[in-house]
Amino acid sequence: AQTVTQSQPEMSVQEAETVTLSCTYDTSESDYYLFWYKQPPSRQMILVIRQEAYKQQNATENRFSVNFQKAAKSFSLKISDSQLGDAAMYFCAYRNDNTDKLIFGTGTRLQVFP
Amino acid sequence: SAVISQKPSRDICQRGTSLTIQCQVDSQVTMMFWYRQQPGQSLTLIATANQGSEATYESGFVIDKFPISRPNLTFSTLTVSNMSPEDSSIYLCSVGWRAGSYNEQFFGPGTRLTVL
Repeated sequence: AQTVTQSQPEMSVQEAETVTLSCTYDTSESDYYLFWYKQPPSRQMILVIRQEAYKQQNATENRFSVNFQKAAKSFSLKISDSQLGDAAMYFCAYRNDNTDKLIFGTGTRLQVFP
Repeated sequence: SAVISQKPSRDICQRGTSLTIQCQVDSQVTMMFWYRQQPGQSLTLIATANQGSEATYESGFVIDKFPISRPNLTFSTLTVSNMSPEDSSIYLCSVGWRAGSYNEQFFGPGTRLTVL
């Protein structure tokens, strides 16, 4: 069975600084997709960034980028120039190619200090 | 993308009662899912809502406890039956399409349920 692990329950960062959130996963599949979702206090789950496993190039969305290491089964999220609005729970999620099910990690609570 | 609404946004219920949560999407979608997020926990998939047929439940979730309907491509309901305090959670609806090589799922705002 596939699993997703986020080993950092909480992280904090100073405004304008950079922070990296860790995620590892376990799968025997070769084709899959990885996602980072953000959940602010409003509870709304927002897709931050996604990565297809067959792509070697790391995905980037503005201030958000990932470091995807397929052999190590690692998928970390880097937030650059952190903003107060980035404060939220961040969930790493996995989906393999032949199912629609998302498997979520336990989340990392990010605090951003002014 | 899609605009997803859930009703109610929150409710406080008595033990032994049932609550039906509605999920409405502003466009037709292929996939609809129901997730549970227990306090301080991650999201766990309850079931996939299938249009015109019975939902597909994940291990640990049964139809008698969480009956689901999906009469069309824009609407689904989840009922939490015979509630106990352990059912206190946020329940989220998510939707998606088959878009190229991957499926992106969008989430509703969630329903916060407290069972006394």
